[in-house]
Amino acid sequence: QQQVKQSPQSLIVQKGGISIINCAYENTAFDYFPWYQQFPGKGPALLIAIRPDVSEKKEGRFTISFNKSAKQFSLHIMDSQPGDSATYFCAASIETSGSRLTFGEGTQLTVNP
Amino acid sequence: EAQVTQNPRYLITVTGKKLTVTCSQNMNHEYMSWYRQDPGLGLRQIYYSMNVEVTDKGDVPEGYKVSRKEKRNFPLILESPSPNQTSLYFCASRRVAGTLSTDTQYFGPGTRLTVL
Repeated sequence: QQQVKQSPQSLIVQKGGISIINCAYENTAFDYFPWYQQFPGKGPALLIAIRPDVSEKKEGRFTISFNKSAKQFSLHIMDSQPGDSATYFCAASIETSGSRLTFGEGTQLTVNP
Repeated sequence: EAQVTQNPRYLITVTGKKLTVTCSQNMNHEYMSWYRQDPGLGLRQIYYSMNVEVTDKGDVPEGYKVSRKEKRNFPLILESPSPNQTSLYFCASRRVAGTLSTDTQYFGPGTRLTVL
């Protein structure tokens, strides 16, 4: 049972375009939603995260949009660059339960020059 | 440099031959965890440890063992590996004092295991 569903599985974007990756969750107790970025041969690294008390968080070219009523959140990468080519994972957790992260299936992003 | 290290990075073995993947962190983190990454399934937690001598099952613990005798080390043991354990494995660690929103979970570089 996948508690966090992520789409699309793969995404190809031209340089300068906007990349959008979507996630939906089932457990309404989740209260922390991070995105991880993984380059080939490396472990995942925290990119940006949001808590459900805000609807949007922006860090540079990366923005998380959060829709609590729809139980959905998304990552937007503005002005996508070839260096953004990586696999992106959304995740969710219940902060009071400790450090347990539930991950989405992952999205392989390719940004063409 | 703060880091999580794993060894080996690549391993090819045969069914039934016991193996251990080591994980070590130099950040004095209490929490350590093992994940496996499979195409289309994301990362799934195998086991985790909140501190020395404290371990618990994650989502997919069958066929795996762990131990936490020292704070810095958290080895993953496959006593009788099977082909369905062919996967990419990641170790991770973080401080327990804070929450995930205040203390990032750091991942190691991964171990690619193939069981023939």
